[in-house]
Amino acid sequence: GIQVEQSPPDLILQEGANSTLRCNFSDSVNNLQWFHQNPWGQLINLFYIPSGTKQNGRLSATTVATERYSLLYISSSQTTDSGVYFCAVGRSNYQLIWGAGTKLIIKP
Amino acid sequence: KAGVTQTPRYLIKTRGQQVTLSCSPISGHRSVSWYQQTPGQGLQFLFEYFSETQRNKGNFPGRFSGRQFSNSRSEMNVSTLELGDSALYLCASSLERADTQYFGPGTRLTVL
Repeated sequence: GIQVEQSPPDLILQEGANSTLRCNFSDSVNNLQWFHQNPWGQLINLFYIPSGTKQNGRLSATTVATERYSLLYISSSQTTDSGVYFCAVGRSNYQLIWGAGTKLIIKP
Repeated sequence: KAGVTQTPRYLIKTRGQQVTLSCSPISGHRSVSWYQQTPGQGLQFLFEYFSETQRNKGNFPGRFSGRQFSNSRSEMNVSTLELGDSALYLCASSLERADTQYFGPGTRLTVL
């Protein structure tokens, strides 16, 4: 099955810093989503991005499907950005395969 | 539009008991997926329902089952609970299969 690897596993930054999170996947996909899980466990969908680039405020994402990776950029980090960021990918069977996540801590 | 709701939010059971968790998707969403999240195993896919039919099932024993009703609400059942079933159970809905998934707050199950 598809393997999904996220890096780095942990990231600690000061408020105001920028960060790049990476998601590598082992096979072609037609579905890729980024999620943020806050410290209380709520998962929020950030992007649906099987290919191309999207932006939403301070967050943007790029997926290069031919090279099997996706990047999530967070600019001007705020403490509310803390939590775990997950990448999940899917193929024709519609089942999402999840990475292990990147735990982000933003210090004030 | 109301988000995905899950009930109950917290549950404490003892080994051997059974439990039923409920998920109400966003209005109009037809696909419901269930996940188990534990600190050691991360997010594990349980099953996906679409139009009242189970379309996908993850690698879990038969003690885990579910169903979807005609209004797209879904329930999952775990019978003969084991200590290892303690986890956060998450439900997600999407408009159609492979669409953006929206998650509920989860049900935190503790098995003693």
